[in-house]
Amino acid sequence: SQELEQSPQSLIVQEGKNLTINCTSSKTLYGLYWYKQKYGEGLIFLMMLQKGGEEKSHEKITAKLDEKKQQSSLHITASQPSHAGIYLCGANQAGTALIFGKGTTLSVSS
Amino acid sequence: GAGVSQSPSNKVTEKGKDVELRCDPISGHTALYWYRQSLGQGLEFLIYFQGNSAPDKSGLPSDRFSAERTGGSVSTLTIQRTQQEDSAVYLCASSLGGLAPPYEQYFGPGTRLTVT
Repeated sequence: SQELEQSPQSLIVQEGKNLTINCTSSKTLYGLYWYKQKYGEGLIFLMMLQKGGEEKSHEKITAKLDEKKQQSSLHITASQPSHAGIYLCGANQAGTALIFGKGTTLSVSS
Repeated sequence: GAGVSQSPSNKVTEKGKDVELRCDPISGHTALYWYRQSLGQGLEFLIYFQGNSAPDKSGLPSDRFSAERTGGSVSTLTIQRTQQEDSAVYLCASSLGGLAPPYEQYFGPGTRLTVT
């Protein structure tokens, strides 16, 4: 079965700094989702990437999909305290529901 | 419009009791999913409903778990004879369509289940 590995597991950055979170799949990626979760809350949809080389941005968050490397990266520019939370990548597994990585916990210090 | 809603938000139950968790998907969404999020386990798929098709139950961990979706809308996840290892946050999601092509899944706030 497909597995998703996220790195790093946790990250502490100073406000204003840039950061990157990676999500690597054990199998070919056909669709990759990024979600954000705050403690005690549900998942907030950020972006969905489907095609190799695809790149999407929303405010200061950019995600890319590299099909050859079976990897996606999430980049945050000029981080703010509001960016703190758990970032989860998810992917479709053989036409069924999503499988998820274990998440990356981001803390932003001011 | 309204997002996915779940009830109750928190549930504490004694080991051996049955519990029912409810999910109200976004209106018009034909697909509905249940996931479970446990400490150290990440987020795991439980069951998937798409329109009138038979549900994909491949993620249910045991026969104590079952789910229904009435009228293509509201869904109930039932856990019978709860065990302490069932303690987790149960998340529901819905999407406009199924998985091919994939649609964005929108998640509810979850139900935190604690089995004592």
